[in-house]
Amino acid sequence: GQQVMQIPQYQHVQEGEDFTTYCNSSTTLSNIQWYKQRPGGHPVFLIQLVKSGEVKKQKRLTFQFGEAKKNSSLHITATQTTDVGTYFCARTSYDKVIFGPGTSLSVIP
Amino acid sequence: DSGVTQTPKHLITATGQRVTLRCSPRSGDLSVYWYQQSLDQGLQFLIHYYNGEERAKGNILERFSAQQFPDLHSELNLSSLELGDSALYFCASSRTSGGSTDTQYFGPGTRLTVL
Repeated sequence: GQQVMQIPQYQHVQEGEDFTTYCNSSTTLSNIQWYKQRPGGHPVFLIQLVKSGEVKKQKRLTFQFGEAKKNSSLHITATQTTDVGTYFCARTSYDKVIFGPGTSLSVIP
Repeated sequence: DSGVTQTPKHLITATGQRVTLRCSPRSGDLSVYWYQQSLDQGLQFLIHYYNGEERAKGNILERFSAQQFPDLHSELNLSSLELGDSALYFCASSRTSGGSTDTQYFGPGTRLTVL
């Protein structure tokens, strides 16, 4: 009930190609957060979405929150090798933070 | 550097043993969260403390326990260790008690290896 799912699990792209990861929940989310974890590193907060239909941009990254607040996406335009890592979405619920399983992105130079 | 510190960085121990992992949150942060990340696994929420009090429990085994001290640092105690407890253990801190608007800052993690 509280879980969030992410697809795809893995994605390999050529440098310069676009990349999108999707986060889905069976229940309505009060918010969604996105984190990036580089290989060998720790998760780093990227952004939080709260409003239905919200779209936020950070340079080449575009984050969307679905109208029904049950899904979210992260899109990277023209990937670079520095984008390599695992991208996690997370929801907060009653003082818990539930992370999705993550999408691991590889970028082939 | 997130401002969250964790010690030790690496820990190697044997099955059946007990270890303590330590976390110091960012200055001013009152919440500490603990997570377990196994190889190729996602982040499993273990427990959340706010200002010394337990706020939420996740998938934390009975062999594991945690506490947050008056100076706000936290310790995660793992006992009767099993091979399957080998993982990266992260702590994260945030300013408030959680809720929908709080950002978490993760420490560098402690890598636990149980032999």
